[in-house]
Amino acid sequence: DAGVTQSPTHLIKTRGQQVTLRCSPKSGHDTVSWYQQALGQGPQFIFQYYEEEERQRGNFPDRFSGHQFPNYSSELNVNALLLGDSALYLCASSSEVSTDTQYFGPGTRLTVL
Amino acid sequence: GDSVTQMEGPVTLSEEAFLTINCTYTATGYPSLFWYVQYPGEGLQLLLKATKADDKGSNKGFEATYRKETTSFHLEKGSVQVSDSAVYFCALAYGEGFQKLVFGTGTRLLVSP
Repeated sequence: DAGVTQSPTHLIKTRGQQVTLRCSPKSGHDTVSWYQQALGQGPQFIFQYYEEEERQRGNFPDRFSGHQFPNYSSELNVNALLLGDSALYLCASSSEVSTDTQYFGPGTRLTVL
Repeated sequence: GDSVTQMEGPVTLSEEAFLTINCTYTATGYPSLFWYVQYPGEGLQLLLKATKADDKGSNKGFEATYRKETTSFHLEKGSVQVSDSAVYFCALAYGEGFQKLVFGTGTRLLVSP
């Protein structure tokens, strides 16, 4: 049973560029959440997608956007990258019957130069 | 708003020592509580959870009890192993339908032989 997968593993961008990160949820899960984890900190909630719509959003600017596809996979897009966007981006999946129990992928390490 | 506070690390122990990592929370309502573990270079793994007051979550020798009166969810293990060395995050699920996780800053555990 495949767990949550994310791609790419690492990414290096320069300020002002745009980036897209991808996530495939655990089999049987229909809800995807994205978190940003800065170095030495706990993850912070960005947003959650269910039925191809953004259902909840944390305190992140509109430069952060996402999408969910019919197969439940998801993308996180960040526009106009800032140095402060450098972090580990984690995707988590859950099922609608147990939304509070989230399973995390290995993350994408984004470095903005 | 809802928040989690956990003890700062690193916590340094010898193998077979007793482990306690303190976690307290602030929340409106009755959130679910979690402990996640993060090994170097990896994403977060769900270690244990508790969904209501006086529940005890347990897994792999770790346990934590949801204490509503002290708003705490301390992690304990009777005998740690070198392989337990990792960063441990306390978290709570909040928001409509408890769909968002808010994390503490993490506590690094170092276990020496």
